[in-house]
Amino acid sequence: DSGVTQTPKHLITATGQRVTLRCSPRSGDLSVYWYQQSLDQGLQFLIQYYNGEERAKGNILERFSAQQFPDLHSELNLSSLELGDSALYFCASSVALLVGDNEQFFGPGTRLTVL
Amino acid sequence: GQNIDQPTEMTATEGAIVQINCTYQTSGFNGLFWYQQHAGEAPTFLSYNVLDGLEEKGRFSSFLSRSKGYSYLLLKELQMKDSASYLCAPPSGGYNKLIFGAGTRLAVHP
Repeated sequence: DSGVTQTPKHLITATGQRVTLRCSPRSGDLSVYWYQQSLDQGLQFLIQYYNGEERAKGNILERFSAQQFPDLHSELNLSSLELGDSALYFCASSVALLVGDNEQFFGPGTRLTVL
Repeated sequence: GQNIDQPTEMTATEGAIVQINCTYQTSGFNGLFWYQQHAGEAPTFLSYNVLDGLEEKGRFSSFLSRSKGYSYLLLKELQMKDSASYLCAPPSGGYNKLIFGAGTRLAVHP
């Protein structure tokens, strides 16, 4: 158990819908990262927040947005869902801002299925 | 930019040694991570190399050559539970994010 929690574990929805994925980082961690893992694409970095502020962005679609709240939990919002958005979405957390020598702890993931 | 190259699949026998290679090109270097991921589960941290050379941690060791853009993960005394994907990740883009390679899927056979 990494100490990072994600809800829900599974989510099934229809195209065009909007969903919110939630992540609670390990106690004391200020950085939260979101990743998408599709069957054919591997683990893709989406976005990072540090202490409430967005600090790094990957190939995140405009239909996706995220935020980190004062209690440090984070939410990833996915809208106008398409079949191709079906994937495992992981949240990770770490203590520091920078990646160097700063191990990321991953949550168990949310499996999103878009029908 | 960043290109990361790892073999897609490898097979090995229980008790043997296997070496998983990773080559990369990165514009912003600050060390390289290896993560292990069992199918359908979260990645877990294995190692971090920031200096050249070999870092040993029990059955797992990781090597880095910064000048050659090359790293490898060495797994000794293989066990069935080592069957997993192994992801290489050099930091990039101002050191705030990890870019993972596609991973190497290792199958350990009895």
